Amino acid sequence: RKEVEQDPGPFNVPEGATVAFNCTYSNSASQSFFWYRQDCRKEPKLLMSVYSSGNEDGRFTAQLNRASQYISLLIRDSKLSDSATYLCVVNRAGGFKTIFGAGTRLFVKA
Amino acid sequence: NAGVTQTPKFRVLKTGQSMTLLCAQDMNHEYMYWYRQDPGMGLRLIHYSVGEGTTAKGEVPDGYNVSRLKKQNFLLGLESAAPSQTSVYFCASSYSRSKGATNEKLFFGSGTQLSVL
Repeated sequence: RKEVEQDPGPFNVPEGATVAFNCTYSNSASQSFFWYRQDCRKEPKLLMSVYSSGNEDGRFTAQLNRASQYISLLIRDSKLSDSATYLCVVNRAGGFKTIFGAGTRLFVKA
Repeated sequence: NAGVTQTPKFRVLKTGQSMTLLCAQDMNHEYMYWYRQDPGMGLRLIHYSVGEGTTAKGEVPDGYNVSRLKKQNFLLGLESAAPSQTSVYFCASSYSRSKGATNEKLFFGSGTQLSVL
C-alpha cells in the first residue's frame, strides 16, 4: 500500500462545477500537509498548505482530518485554467521524508 | 529572480553512457533535492543535501551520485545509464525543514526529460 494515496482520476467537469479531491496517508507521524499543482510537462508548484482547522484561498478549500488521516481539496466554480494534476504531499516529522501522492488529474471543459 | 534552474531540459543516452544534470538556485536555500517522476507514481527522492558539502541518500539512490560543492549548485550524476533510469528529473530547493509553509515550500526546476535507450 502506498503511503499517500490519491484517486488518479481523471475528473472531467464542466466550467463552473465544484469538484473535490481526496487523499489518504498511512503514517500517523506525518506533520505537514500540502497540495501542489502540476501542469502538463511542467514542474509542481505549491497551491496551498493544509491545516487542521481547514483553510481557504479564493475558490480553493483544503481540509485535514488527522483522526481519519485524510486530506481534501475542494475547487468551486471551476475554470478552464484549473485543468492540471493535483498532488497531495505529506511531510513526516523528523528526517527528510516528503511523500508525494501520484496525483489526481482534472480536466475542466467549456 | 530565476529561482531554480535545471540543465539540460532534454537528453537521450545510450545504455552505459554517463551524464551530469545541473541544478542552480539563487534563493540562498540551504536544502536541495533531486526527484524523479514516473507515470502513475509520485515524485521519488533520489538524493538530497542539507547544506554545502553535505549529501544524503533518498528513497531511490542506486545508480546516481550527487555533489554540492557550492551552496547554490546541486549536481546529479548517472555513472552508467540504464533504461530503468528513463524518467523526468526535477531538482528542488527549500529554505529549511522547520514546520511551516514558508520553510517547507519546495521550489522546483522545470525538469529534465531523460531517455536511456
